[in-house]
Formats: sequence, structure tokens, C-alpha cells
Amino acid sequence: GAVVSQHPSRVICKSGTSVKIECRSLDFQATTMFWYRQFPKQSLMLMATSNEGSKATYEQGVEKDKFLINHASLTLSTLTVTSAHPEDSSFYICSAVASGRGWPEAFFGQGTRLTVV
Amino acid sequence: DQQVKQNSPSLSVQEGRISILNCDYTNSMFDYFLWYKKYPAEGPTFLISISSIKDKNEDGRFTVFLNKSAKHLSLHIVPSQPGDSAVYFCAASGNAGNMLTFGGGTRLMVKP
Repeated sequence: GAVVSQHPSRVICKSGTSVKIECRSLDFQATTMFWYRQFPKQSLMLMATSNEGSKATYEQGVEKDKFLINHASLTLSTLTVTSAHPEDSSFYICSAVASGRGWPEAFFGQGTRLTVV
Repeated sequence: DQQVKQNSPSLSVQEGRISILNCDYTNSMFDYFLWYKKYPAEGPTFLISISSIKDKNEDGRFTVFLNKSAKHLSLHIVPSQPGDSAVYFCAASGNAGNMLTFGGGTRLMVKP
């Protein structure tokens, strides 16, 4: 199946610093990528929809200036958590939808465990 | 308002028996449904999907059933294996841009 690579898998950062998470579709082009956040024992919460070459669409309640999303190419989207706080500690997952397929099969990255200390 | 619901947060099944995971949705615009399996600290893995033009799709030990009139789908795993122990999410799509809406997940535990 299609592969989506997410990096890093784990990151620990200090409060106030910024962290960048990369999401790459390795063997297909993805015009759309999604960023999710998962709190412990909870479901995946969609944060934003990232479309190549245009601004991301954020879900209600997600701060655009805090979670910067860039989708510069058909194979790469990045999520930057700016001025991180301990409450930003979470598991972040990206997914990419393969272009040209008849149905929306979304492939997920391995996830990034962010810990802000 | 949760558009996709998985009312059972956990399910315990004996190895070899059938596991049935349920999912309900409210948005009649959803026309494609997927099931994902997720281990801790990993991204979800696609399992099986079904479009609204079908009522059943089978792939090996996994079968998904869709009841559109009831807005209900279920995932059957038979026979269940200990390696199936994970959290299972159902997801639905129908919005522009292929956005998926996830249910809350059901933790399946298959006991040897």
C-alpha cells in the first residue's frame, strides 16, 4: 500500500520553542493532507486540512497562528507548533489522500509524540 | 455534535470467536466508510472500506456491513486473533476534499 512518512516520531521541547513536524507521501502525490491530534484515550481530532499550494483550512477552535501548516509540494506538508506550551503535548498524526483514486483512501503517518516541558 | 459514533469504548473477545464492532452515523451525506486499526503510539492502519452503493464488503477475516437506512455499519472479525487487539476507528467521508470524520474508537481485546 501507499506509504506516508512522518518525522520525527518523538520530540521533546522546552516551553516557548517551536517544533516542526514533517509529513511526506513517499510513493504517491497527495493534493490534500490532514493533520490530526489525539489526546490520551480519545479519538482523532481533525485540526486542519492542508491543500497543496494554498492556505490550510483550520477546524473550529484550532489556533492558526499556533499551528502553522505549509503544504509546499504534492508530497510534503509540515506542521509547526509555535511557542509550545505543556498543554500542546499530544500525539499528532498526518494523513494523505492519494490523488486520482476513485475513493478517498487516506494513508496515515506513524504519528509524532510531542512532549513540551 | 458527533457525526460518527462508536458507542462501545471497549470489547473483549475470546480467541477464535467473532468480534463485532459497531458504528453509527448521523450525516446522510456520508457515502464512503472506512475502518482503521490503531496500536498505541502509531498511526492508524487502513483495514477495509465500503461505499454506500454496497451493503457488504469482505476481505479475508474482515467483513464490513452497511445498513444505510439505519445509518449503521459494523466490522466483523472472524476468527479473532490476539494480534487483532488494538483500537478500531470507523470513519466516514462524503464532504468535499475527502475529509474523514472519525468515531471515538473501540478498544478490542482478544484473549488467548
